[in-house]
Amino acid sequence: DVKVTQSSRYLVKRTGEKVFLECVQDMDHENMFWYRQDPGLGLRLIYFSYDVKMKEKGDIPEGYSVSREKKERFSLILESASTNQTSMYLCASSFGPISGNTIYFGEGSWLTVV
Amino acid sequence: DQQVKQNSPSLSVQEGRISILNCDYTNSMFDYFLWYKKYPAEGPTFLISISSIKDKNEDGRFTVFLNKSAKHLSLHIVPSQPGDSAVYFCAASEEKSSGDKLTFGTGTRLAVRP
Repeated sequence: DVKVTQSSRYLVKRTGEKVFLECVQDMDHENMFWYRQDPGLGLRLIYFSYDVKMKEKGDIPEGYSVSREKKERFSLILESASTNQTSMYLCASSFGPISGNTIYFGEGSWLTVV
Repeated sequence: DQQVKQNSPSLSVQEGRISILNCDYTNSMFDYFLWYKKYPAEGPTFLISISSIKDKNEDGRFTVFLNKSAKHLSLHIVPSQPGDSAVYFCAASEEKSSGDKLTFGTGTRLAVRP
């Protein structure tokens, strides 16, 4: 079974703090993604990466950055957390093109910024 | 600009009856469509998919229909079971050289009444 592991399930951070959300997948997938889920807005893509050290902006990249130094690990960074970044963050991975494949999600990280 | 829309935020169905969840999209370049199911505090799990070259795909109790001319797809669950109660997300993909990504709808919360 594919396993996508997000290191922190629940975090509470203060405004202005730097926040790291870590994600690891164990299936040698090329593609990795970070989404956030908010009520009434569905899942929105923040950043994705299709190879080591490669990254592409998604639909809402402002206020975020990412790092992919190793194939299995994709980190989401909030340089200076703000209250509007309180959300559920979902990491996902996939092998090759999405058509014919699917993407697998982690269990999510609940971030509260106070 | 919401490219994938689920206009019904919630749906309630009697156990044993059919559940029909709808999804509309605006981007004619989307070529692959997926449905995901999400329970609270868990990541989404893949349910069923359909390529744009087909108009129907069936997997057990789940059938997805695609109407390309109307840019509309639907998920049919029959018979509905209480365990189907969850949030369902429609997603669409456009294959690009820079890497595929999924665009999600806002979700429909399905409640199946015993």
